[in-house]
Amino acid sequence: GNSVTQMEGPVTLSEEAFLTINCTYTATGYPSLFWYVQYPGEGLQLLLKATKADDKGSNKGFEATYRKETTSFHLEKGSVQVSDSAVYFCALRNSGGSNYKLTFGKGTLLTVNP
Amino acid sequence: GAGVSQSPSNKVTEKGKDVELRCDPISGHTALYWYRQSLGQGLEFLIYFQGNSAPDKSGLPSDRFSAERTGGSVSTLTIQRTQQEDSAVYLCASSLAVQETQYFGPGTRLLVL
Repeated sequence: GNSVTQMEGPVTLSEEAFLTINCTYTATGYPSLFWYVQYPGEGLQLLLKATKADDKGSNKGFEATYRKETTSFHLEKGSVQVSDSAVYFCALRNSGGSNYKLTFGKGTLLTVNP
Repeated sequence: GAGVSQSPSNKVTEKGKDVELRCDPISGHTALYWYRQSLGQGLEFLIYFQGNSAPDKSGLPSDRFSAERTGGSVSTLTIQRTQQEDSAVYLCASSLAVQETQYFGPGTRLLVL
């Protein structure tokens, strides 16, 4: 079956530090890959996505590249801000059967200190 | 425009009672999804609607859980005879079509005492 494994947190960084949150996946076929973010007290928001191998998703200074050879979709940001403090979820959606549901990782709590 | 809305935002109930959770999807979105977010299990898929029909109910944890969608819009998730392990945040999402981006509501936080 499908699964997503992301690095366990919590992750605590100082402002302007470099961020990496690792995500690897197991899936049949050619899934689409997503990063969702959940800010304190808010719902899940799509941060970025990639639908095929070697695609790079980017938004708000965050980037992730779909690596089929390593089945990975690591999230990176060059310089984090306090406002980036949130829980980040990596997710996949299959391209074939069950192509409607998202399979999520456990989430990684990021805290950025001033 | 308006996003996905859910009500109530919080619900406290006693074990054994029934609860109804409501989801209003984004207008025009044909697909609607329910997920559950709990400490032990993370985010789990429960059920998905295409229009008013639910092709996949496989994620519903037990027969105490049911959901319906009427008029291709509002959906209700019902939990009968609630148990403490049902305590979680129930998230609803909608998308324009099945493989389009899913937009999530703020969730209903359910606490079963």
